[in-house]
Amino acid sequence: NAGVTQTPKFQVLKTGQSMTLQCAQDMNHEYMSWYRQDPGMGLRLIHYSVGAGITDQGEVPNGYNVSRSTTEDFPLRLLSAAPSQTSVYFCASSSAPRSNQPQHFGDGTRLSIL
Amino acid sequence: AQSVSQHNHHVILSEAASLELGCNYSYGGTVNLFWYVQYPGQHLQLLLKYFSGDPLVKGIKGFEAEFIKSKFSFNLRKPSVQWSDTAEYFCAVNFGKAAGNKLTFGGGTRVLVKP
Repeated sequence: NAGVTQTPKFQVLKTGQSMTLQCAQDMNHEYMSWYRQDPGMGLRLIHYSVGAGITDQGEVPNGYNVSRSTTEDFPLRLLSAAPSQTSVYFCASSSAPRSNQPQHFGDGTRLSIL
Repeated sequence: AQSVSQHNHHVILSEAASLELGCNYSYGGTVNLFWYVQYPGQHLQLLLKYFSGDPLVKGIKGFEAEFIKSKFSFNLRKPSVQWSDTAEYFCAVNFGKAAGNKLTFGGGTRVLVKP
């Protein structure tokens, strides 16, 4: 059972570079989301999607773009990386955008911006 | 805005000691509550959840949590911890449709269990 798969696991970028963090799930989940995890701040929601073709902003969306062309994939794009975006990024999915559904998390992407 | 607070950032205890981690949230409406655990180097895993019924919820690995609506709290407990419980624990609250059904996390509590 693959669950939620994130790639890459580690990445180092220079300021100003762009990259895409990939996230794929094989559970036919409608709801997908991206979080960043920083020490002492828990997980903060960046962007989320309630289904293919629908995305919305979370708590900390600036500097990030997303798209949801298929149910399975939800890539996160950094258009011009900044040191403040150094973090661990987690993708998550759940079976429905209902409040009692737990989220399934990927293994994370550790991103460093120099 | 709705928020979730975990008061203890770090907890250190010995094996067999009892553990209680506090979680409070700021909202008087209907909520759904979760505790997640993140073992070193791993992703978050669900420990337990509450959305209705018995306010005392039992989860995996001997953990339980009690929802006290009047105190806006959802504290996590384990009567006797093991070294393998060393991890970071996150309380999370879904504030429902009014808040877009988004999950809001507390800042996390790092627990170190000494053998």
